Amino acid sequence: GAGVSQSPRYKVAKRGQDVALRCDPISGHVSLFWYQQALGQGPEFLTYFQNEAQLDKSGLPSDRFFAERPEGSVSTLKIQRTQQEDSAVYLCASSLGLAGADSYEQYFGPGTRLTVT
Amino acid sequence: AQKVTQAQTEISVVEKEDVTLDCVYETRDTTYYLFWYKQPPSGELVFLIRRNSFDEQNEISGRYSWNFQKSTSSFNFTITASQVVDSAVYFCALLYSGAGSYQLTFGKGTKLSVIP
Repeated sequence: GAGVSQSPRYKVAKRGQDVALRCDPISGHVSLFWYQQALGQGPEFLTYFQNEAQLDKSGLPSDRFFAERPEGSVSTLKIQRTQQEDSAVYLCASSLGLAGADSYEQYFGPGTRLTVT
Repeated sequence: AQKVTQAQTEISVVEKEDVTLDCVYETRDTTYYLFWYKQPPSGELVFLIRRNSFDEQNEISGRYSWNFQKSTSSFNFTITASQVVDSAVYFCALLYSGAGSYQLTFGKGTKLSVIP
């Protein structure tokens, strides 16, 4: 079946521009996650949705970052007034999110590489 | 606080050699989940394995095997008879679950290069 898809795959933004990154999770997956991966580092958690509810946004680095999942499926991560330090790969993951340990397995999309110039 | 340490930044081996990637974790949770992911040059994180803290049985899947030891808080990954296609960055991760949230804490990764 189809995996997690993300678009665009690459985005170049000038400092100060707003960007929107899209994630299409695996069909039927209740949970959706966003991670930020800087060059040479492991991914770092940004935010978590269960259906349309954003249950944890503790990892969002500033109030310029905003995520939504209005219908409990597709999610958008928006970054306002981009800064150079926002340059990174943004990864989306989804999981079943139901009872049972299998539901904790997160499946990742290919990521969006954001470069802020 | 959760923490995952992958002390090996880069490893190079010659094809067909065995290689072990180390992972040490810290958590206060009594029930927890550990994961390994592979990130090839294409960039997509590929799920390899999940291990529950209450199941210390080691696991083998083809050329891959995992050694989970609670006594030393380690979850090491061994590739037997390595192949060029194994070249990638490998991440160990620990699942935090609490206060209605689930998030993975990743190590910094180990870059494995398999030389033909």
